[in-house]
Amino acid sequence: SQQGEEDPQALSIQEGENATMNCSYKTSINNLQWYRQNSGRGLVHLILIRSNEREKHSGRLRVTLDTSKKSSSLLITASRAADTASYFCATDPRTGNQFYFGTGTSLTVIP
Amino acid sequence: NAGVTQTPKFQVLKTGQSMTLQCAQDMNHEYMSWYRQDPGMGLRLIHYSVGAGITDQGEVPNGYNVSRSTTEDFPLRLLSAAPSQTSVYFCASGRVKPQHFGDGTRLSIL
Repeated sequence: SQQGEEDPQALSIQEGENATMNCSYKTSINNLQWYRQNSGRGLVHLILIRSNEREKHSGRLRVTLDTSKKSSSLLITASRAADTASYFCATDPRTGNQFYFGTGTSLTVIP
Repeated sequence: NAGVTQTPKFQVLKTGQSMTLQCAQDMNHEYMSWYRQDPGMGLRLIHYSVGAGITDQGEVPNGYNVSRSTTEDFPLRLLSAAPSQTSVYFCASGRVKPQHFGDGTRLSIL
C-alpha cells in the first residue's frame, strides 16, 4: 500500500495549547496536502506544500516538509474547541494520477 | 455553488444487492474520484477519472464499476454488495487532482 501514516492516532489538548501531528509517506512527491474532517462530514482542504518548500503558514496553521525523511508536520497554534476534527495528510506522487491519504489524527480540543 | 453532491447520504443493502452511488459536481472539474473510508485505514482510492470517457482503477477497485459520460457526473456502482463493502464513500473532484469532497454516503451491507 502507498498509504502514509500519521502520528499520533489521537491527540487531546486543552484550548489554547498547540497541537502537532506528523505524517510519513513512501514515494517521491510533487506536493503534500493537509485536510480536516469534522465528524460526519467530508474533507476540507487546509493547505498545500510543494516538494521544493520547507515550511508554509496559513493563519494558525504551520506546515513543514522534509523530503529527505519523507515526512511532514502540521502545527495548529492556540487551538480552539472548533479545531476538534480528524486531520489527514495526502501526498501527490510524482508519477500517476492518484492521491494517497494518511490514516489520520483525531484531535480533541477541550474547552 | 453546490460543490460536490453525493446521494444518497445513507443506505442499507442486503448481501448480493446492487446499487449506484451518485456523485455530481458543478465546478467543471476534469478530475473526479471515489474513496472509501474505513476506521483506522484513512481514505483509499477506488476509481478515478481524468475526464469524460476516461476512467482508471485505484487501490481497491474490486467489486465496483464506474463510468464518466459527462464532466459533471461520476456514479459508482456496486455490482453485488458484500459485507466487506460496508464503509463511508466519498466522492471528490478537482481541476487536476482531488480537492473538493462531498459529505459522503454511509453504506451498510447486511
